[in-house]
Order: sequence, then structure tokens, then C-alpha cells
Amino acid sequence: GAGVSQSPRYKVTKRGQDVALRCDPISGHVSLYWYRQALGQGPEFLTYFNYEAQQDKSGLPNDRFSAERPEGSISTLTIQRTEQRDSAMYRCASSLGASGGIYEQYFGPGTRLTVT
Amino acid sequence: ILNVEQSPQSLHVQEGDSTNFTCSFPSSNFYALHWYRWETAKSPEALFVMTLNGDEKKKGRISATLNTKEGYSYLYIKGSQPEDSATYLCASSTGANNLFFGTGTRLTVIP
Repeated sequence: GAGVSQSPRYKVTKRGQDVALRCDPISGHVSLYWYRQALGQGPEFLTYFNYEAQQDKSGLPNDRFSAERPEGSISTLTIQRTEQRDSAMYRCASSLGASGGIYEQYFGPGTRLTVT
Repeated sequence: ILNVEQSPQSLHVQEGDSTNFTCSFPSSNFYALHWYRWETAKSPEALFVMTLNGDEKKKGRISATLNTKEGYSYLYIKGSQPEDSATYLCASSTGANNLFFGTGTRLTVIP
């Protein structure tokens, strides 16, 4: 079956513009996670959903970042008024269940965001 | 935020050598420990998820152990091959589903 997909794969935007990054998880996966990954670093947790409910958004850097998963499947991470420091790889992952982190996560290919 | 540390940061070994590296995590409120293999320009792929103290898991030449009381996990690779070259990430969970990742150990296997 299909894995986790993300679009766009690359996004170049000018400072001050809003961007929307999309994640399509593996069908049937309950949990969906967003991470930000700086070059050469491990993923940094941003937020996650169980079904359509956002369970934890403590990792979102500030209120310019928001995420939604309205129907419990596809999710969108939105960054408003982008700044150069937002430039990074944004990765989405999904997992089968939502039991405290005991399920392995399947990662998407990421969206490379560059803010000029 | 959990402080998950991995060492060494990078490692070069000769083909055929066995190697291991360490992941340290807070032992309080521990719930699960994940290991992922991450090749450059690809997505991280899960190797193991461990939850119980003393857990040992094996996949081919790669194995991992878990000590939740002292807060560490070891990843072992036996007879390293060039295709093992990757960054190995560990991540810890306190039971709230979100994972906290270390910065990884970058392994290079020299043919």
C-alpha cells in the first residue's frame, strides 16, 4: 500500500507569505505527527493528532504555526507570515495506534521549506 | 521536552567490524524507546520499538537492548556492511504519544 505522502516536496516562499503543507497519512492510521528537522539533526516534535483531535501542540514554536486534520485523515500544517528562521524540512509521520508511543511511526518524504 | 542524547555523534568503521552506540533518555515516566534508521535524502525508517526493561530486539545483523532503570539503550551492528551507512536515531516517549528524538549517530562503513 501507499506510504505517507507530503506535498509540496519543495516550497520556496518570500518572507511574510503564508504557506500550507499537506500530509496524507497511511490509510487507517489513527495518529498523525508533524516534525521539523534542521539539517543534520533529528526530528523536532511540533504537534500530533489522534483522529481529528489535536492532542498536543506544545511543540509549535509560536502562534504563526497551526495544524488541522478535520476529517481524521489528511492534515495541513500552516505557517503564517513566514520568516527566514522557518526554513527547514517539515516531516509528517503516522502510526497505526495511539497508545502512548508504542507504535512505530512511518515518515513521509518531507517538505523542504525555504523562506527568502 | 525530553532530553534524549546519543553518542557518539559520528562513527567510522571498517567493513566487517561490529559496532555499537548509545541512546540516553530520562528514566522517569518512561514509556517507549524507538530506534530509526535514516539514510540521507530518505525518510527515517523504524527499526525497533521497545517498552520493557531488559527488552532485546533483533533484526538481521542489528540488535538493540533497553535499560529503563538507568535510562539507556544500545544499538549493535554485527559485521558492518557499507549499506549500513546511515544516521541512527533514537526517540523516547513518556506515554503521551509524542516522541522526542536525539540528534542521531552518523555511521559510515568503509569498504
